[in-house]
Amino acid sequence: AQSVTQPDIHITVSEGASLELRCNYSYGATPYLFWYVQSPGQGLQLLLKYFSGDTLVQGIKGFEAEFKRSQSSFNLRKPSVHWSDAAEYFCAVGAGTGNQFYFGTGTSLTVIP
Amino acid sequence: DGGITQSPKYLFRKEGQNVTLSCEQNLNHDAMYWYRQDPGQGLRLIYYSQIVNDFQKGDIAEGYSVSREKKESFPLTVTSAQKNPTAFYLCASSVSGAPKTQYFGPGTRLLVL
Repeated sequence: AQSVTQPDIHITVSEGASLELRCNYSYGATPYLFWYVQSPGQGLQLLLKYFSGDTLVQGIKGFEAEFKRSQSSFNLRKPSVHWSDAAEYFCAVGAGTGNQFYFGTGTSLTVIP
Repeated sequence: DGGITQSPKYLFRKEGQNVTLSCEQNLNHDAMYWYRQDPGQGLRLIYYSQIVNDFQKGDIAEGYSVSREKKESFPLTVTSAQKNPTAFYLCASSVSGAPKTQYFGPGTRLLVL
C-alpha cells in the first residue's frame, strides 16, 4: 500500500538558517511526488513536483527537493529561511489511474527572528 | 482569474442534519477531489471524480455523498451518518489522467453545534 511519512511533526529554525524537511514514501511503482505548503486556515499551494528526469527539482519561493530512489525519500530544502516561510508543509505521492494523492501528516515550521 | 472556490468558509451542523459543501472550479479541469483534514492526520481522500456523472469512493467515504452533474461543480454532502464531521474540508481539481498536479481551493471548516 502507498503511504507517506513525514517524521518531523514540528521544526523550529532561525531566520536565515537552512532548512530540510524529510519525506519518505512507500509505493511499488514509479512515484510521483509533490510538496505543498499551507498557511493557517487556507488551502494548499504547490511548491514543487517530481515526475521523472533530474532528481533535483526546483520550486517556487526558493525551495528545492531531491528524489532519492534508494532511500525512498523526497526531502525539501531551502538554503535561507524567511519569516514568511512559517507554515505547514505536506509531502504527497500520486498513485493510481485516478490520480489519487496520499499525504503525509505534515510538518509545522516555526521561524524565529 | 481561474481558480477553485469553496463556500461557505465556515459551516455549522446540528445533530442529525445533512449539510452540503460547495466546490466550483473554472479551470476547465475534468477531475475533482474532496479531502478531509484533521489535526495531525494530514489530508484523507473522501471522493473523487474523473468525469461528469461518475465518481469513486476514496479512503473515508462513509457518511459522505457527492454528485457531479456539471464539470465545474462537485458538491459534498456530509450526512447525519457521519458521526464525527468536525474537520477542515478541501476541494481540489486537476486535468484528467495521471500523474497530474492537483490544485486546491481555500477550504471549508465544518463545526458541529
